[in-house]
Amino acid sequence: SQLAEENLWALSVHEGESVTVNCSYKTSITALQWYRQKSGEGPAQLILIRSNEREKRNGRLRATLDTSSQSSSLSITATRCEDTAVYFCATDYAQGLTFGLGTRVSVFP
Amino acid sequence: EAAVTQSPRNKVAVTGGKVTLSCNQTNNHNNMYWYRQDTGHGLRLIHYSYGAGSTEKGDIPDGYKASRPSQENFSLILELATPSQTSVYFCASGTGTYAEQFFGPGTRLTVL
Repeated sequence: SQLAEENLWALSVHEGESVTVNCSYKTSITALQWYRQKSGEGPAQLILIRSNEREKRNGRLRATLDTSSQSSSLSITATRCEDTAVYFCATDYAQGLTFGLGTRVSVFP
Repeated sequence: EAAVTQSPRNKVAVTGGKVTLSCNQTNNHNNMYWYRQDTGHGLRLIHYSYGAGSTEKGDIPDGYKASRPSQENFSLILELATPSQTSVYFCASGTGTYAEQFFGPGTRLTVL
């Protein structure tokens, strides 16, 4: 089973709405990272939140981390069509990072 | 300008043939990684490297070899390709074990 996993396969929203992707993980971590992968591209990091942080923001993105429940969320406000992508969480792993399977977010006009 | 590049971007190979996937990074990162991505499995680590001359086995190394001849270049070698190795392969670079990883655009490999 995955050491880090998002809790939904897919979400759909309309432009301008907000969307939240959730992630749970199974081990103690030093940090959790959120990545986005657009169709035909490699993943790209959006936010890194350390274990001693509860919230991190980057423009329209907001990540939270709850180490007691071993969970994280990534919220995107004022979504745009170009936010359509697969969103992954990634956590510490012996050899580097372990990635969840991802949540596909579709933003419709 | 793209910091991690991969070649070829698409490759069709025959079963039993040898395939070499190449990756080049201009980030001057010590660590480099090879993943494959399949529906239902996500990104799985095949091999990684801590620097020139070093290669380490990841989670699914069977059937794959890796080569890191320089800081910039990291290759993935399939000596005897099989249809089960049909996948999209990503190379990434990073500064440290738990640090951000910078991914290339991927190589789509089809083994017939």
